[in-house]
Amino acid sequence: GAGVSQTPSNKVTEKGKYVELRCDPISGHTALYWYRQSLGQGPEFLIYFQGTGAADDSGLPNDRFFAVRPEGSVSTLKIQRTERGDSAVYLCASSEYLGENTEAFFGQGTRLTVV
Amino acid sequence: AQSVTQLDSQVPVFEEAPVELRCNYSSSVSVYLFWYVQYPNQGLQLLLKYLSGSTLVKGINGFEAEFNKSQTSFHLRKPSVHISDTAEYFCAVSDGGQNFVFGPGTRLSVLP
Repeated sequence: GAGVSQTPSNKVTEKGKYVELRCDPISGHTALYWYRQSLGQGPEFLIYFQGTGAADDSGLPNDRFFAVRPEGSVSTLKIQRTERGDSAVYLCASSEYLGENTEAFFGQGTRLTVV
Repeated sequence: AQSVTQLDSQVPVFEEAPVELRCNYSSSVSVYLFWYVQYPNQGLQLLLKYLSGSTLVKGINGFEAEFNKSQTSFHLRKPSVHISDTAEYFCAVSDGGQNFVFGPGTRLSVLP
């Protein structure tokens, strides 16, 4: 596709439920990143992938959060036993490769609301 | 650890006036600095970045920023703003990877 695509754009779920958020990166981009943006704050790093492997998952807040990228393209962020504090916009970005000389392109995000 | 401060949460300015959005950072290592813009209901878009070399960096849409190592600042400027510049602006720092540390953002409102 032309840009990074995230689905769904909006997700409302009940506290305690499981959710999956999908990210389709730009074709050919090997690096993929997940960020979380809470209301009134800047994006907060969660995890990034180089190919299929998670190169850095130090930003995941706890073990309820998990992300995969099994074929090195599409990624899924999975949240178990959701809590109201998980409500935020989840942003995905991709870049051609990993490094400061390449631009990261962001998707429009998935707005998750836990009620 | 790295951190970014954007002192102004909101900046209102009249159309065609100049604007400066402030950004200060702290880091114990060499840094790379970025400004991103987020228009309503859209994803983040890179405005400009400082990696090395000239401290004055020019970006898209007429924006520029100046890296000041002694003041640990990377303020964003535009000499004449347009209504279409109304958006949220984020300053970010990286130590070389792509796990940016973002500031809280500054909402620029351009008034007619």
